[in-house]
Amino acid sequence: QVQLQESGPGLVKPSQTLSLTCTVSGGSISSSYYWNWIRQHPGKGLEWIGYIYYSGSTYYNPSLKSRVTMSVDTSKNQFSLKLKSVTAADTAVYYCARDSGGSSRDFIDWGQGTLVTVSS
Amino acid sequence: DIQMTQSPSSLSASVGDRVTITCQASQDISNHLNWYQQKPGKAPKLLIYDASNLETGVPSRFSGSGSGTDFSFTIRSLQPEDFATYYCQQFDNLPPTFGGGTKVEIK
Repeated sequence: QVQLQESGPGLVKPSQTLSLTCTVSGGSISSSYYWNWIRQHPGKGLEWIGYIYYSGSTYYNPSLKSRVTMSVDTSKNQFSLKLKSVTAADTAVYYCARDSGGSSRDFIDWGQGTLVTVSS
Repeated sequence: DIQMTQSPSSLSASVGDRVTITCQASQDISNHLNWYQQKPGKAPKLLIYDASNLETGVPSRFSGSGSGTDFSFTIRSLQPEDFATYYCQQFDNLPPTFGGGTKVEIK
């Protein structure tokens, strides 16, 4: 089982860029899995943001695609999320998660989640 | 996007009860459906994958069934640690989408 840990600022000002990093331990990020970001608005359901493969290939949720960038650093066993031009609607708990790879988006391992609040 | 409609949104049950949650997809998703359990302040945990397969280490009182557009998730005999929110999730098409959740509360 892989362990994931999100890190980054808990408070971001409106119109700025939200930046989070997920550190992977107990396994290599350079494996046949996809590395995902998922968010949960306070008291609400789950929204998939996108994934990245260790090669750098990505797929973003079309609803967020214009504002999202994901990257991977295999030397640090980390992957990152940037969400630009944030508003209060981006306030949420952000999770990183590993899926089972291939065409299956089974989110097997999750980070503990980090609350990001967008406020001035 | 494929819409996932879960019902009920909440239910009250007693320890030992049999609980069933349903999930309906807006289009045929074959068996490309997962079920998760989420407790307050924690990340979701995968319980069932591919509609009916029990994830390793998950108790056998949990089960899932269905294919196409209609799915169900059952807890055979509710235990105190099962009080949580449950979500279905499809992965037939990108983006993966989740149901709205079912909160299972103590009666």
